Amino acid sequence: AQKVTQAQTEISVVEKEDVTLDCVYETRDTTYYLFWYKQPPSGELVFLIRRNSFDEQNEISGRYSWNFQKSTSSFNFTITASQVVDSAVYFCALLNNAGNMLTFGGGTRLMVKP
Amino acid sequence: GAVVSQHPSRVICKSGTSVKIECRSLDFQATTMFWYRQFPKQSLMLMATSNEGSKATYEQGVEKDKFLINHASLTLSTLTVTSAHPEDSSFYICSASRDSKSPLHFGNGTRLTVT
Repeated sequence: AQKVTQAQTEISVVEKEDVTLDCVYETRDTTYYLFWYKQPPSGELVFLIRRNSFDEQNEISGRYSWNFQKSTSSFNFTITASQVVDSAVYFCALLNNAGNMLTFGGGTRLMVKP
Repeated sequence: GAVVSQHPSRVICKSGTSVKIECRSLDFQATTMFWYRQFPKQSLMLMATSNEGSKATYEQGVEKDKFLINHASLTLSTLTVTSAHPEDSSFYICSASRDSKSPLHFGNGTRLTVT
């Protein structure tokens, strides 16, 4: 069994603040894949990042950065200098090694106020 | 551009009718596609895994006879909600990938409203 926990259900920040969205996972696989998706109010899912379990290098993409800590089973997502357009629900997800089971966290609703 | 196309994006139907939702991978072949359901302000819940050429694998609690899944080709999976009821109103999303090493791509979702 695998599980993904996003403890923060809602976060509200003011524009230009930095914000970190937490993601903690559980799995018995030694190889697995972690994802972050953004779901704006329109409903579609936007792929943000995919990380293999054997690659612990942190990644930065513009204002987005991800901190993968295998020792604590966490894959946190930080938005620097948040903008109103960042307001959305963000999902962390875990894909098993076989690629046939994708488990989502409960999602974190981020509200960025002007 | 979109690599997974889902159609229709919105559908309103009367109680008792059936609705078919299509999920197509546009530029790759997907032996496996996934169907999810999302209630308002909730996470995505996996309904079933659609396997090309074989029966779908349903998650516990999902009625096989109500949510019919057909994966007839490597680029198309369909979800049919049979004898729809108002409680079936939800947001349904499909996803697909080339293989386990490739990113999962999601369709834009289908908002089903049963009146």
